[in-house]
Amino acid sequence: AQTVTQSQPEMSVQEAETVTLSCTYDTSESDYYLFWYKQPPSRQMILVIRQEAYKQQNATENRFSVNFQKAAKSFSLKISDSQLGDAAMYFCAASGSRLTFGEGTQLTVNP
Amino acid sequence: NAGVMQNPRHLVRRRGQEARLRCSPMKGHSHVYWYRQLPEEGLKFMVYLQKENIIDESGMPKERFSAEFPKEGPSILRIQQVVRGDSAAYFCASSPARGRNNSPLHFGNGTRLTVT
Repeated sequence: AQTVTQSQPEMSVQEAETVTLSCTYDTSESDYYLFWYKQPPSRQMILVIRQEAYKQQNATENRFSVNFQKAAKSFSLKISDSQLGDAAMYFCAASGSRLTFGEGTQLTVNP
Repeated sequence: NAGVMQNPRHLVRRRGQEARLRCSPMKGHSHVYWYRQLPEEGLKFMVYLQKENIIDESGMPKERFSAEFPKEGPSILRIQQVVRGDSAAYFCASSPARGRNNSPLHFGNGTRLTVT
């Protein structure tokens, strides 16, 4: 069984600042992947970044990067130089036999 | 290259009616997943299908819900005798045949079901 926990229901950040969204997970799988998805008001699910659990190097995609702490089962998302378009619900997810999502963090970007 | 296509985008049903939600996966994808998102909540896994096979339906309610992915045509999520608690956004996702774990799911835009 897998569980994914996002302890921050809401977060806010000033435009151009940096924000970190937290995620912890638990899994019995030895081979798994971790993802962050973004869901804007349009409801579309957009893949932001993914991390292979066997890789120690943290994944980076432009302004988005992760801090993956495998021993602590932690997978946080850092958004640098926040933009108004980053405002959305962010979901952390873990894949093993299926993709399991956290409850989400609603990010507000203030101009 | 079309993404995952879901229709309808919005569906309104009265209590007791049937709801049929359709999903066409991305070209080349033979794995389909259905998720349900209740208001203010995350996505909950319902069922995982390959062509003509249900692989994992552990997230499906035992009654009134069924899913299929025929050899030809879209995947269908069917909800019989809908109740107000079925009101939610239903998302379909697909992935390539080469594997599940390392393949990010590609999601459709969802079908918002409203039961009146």
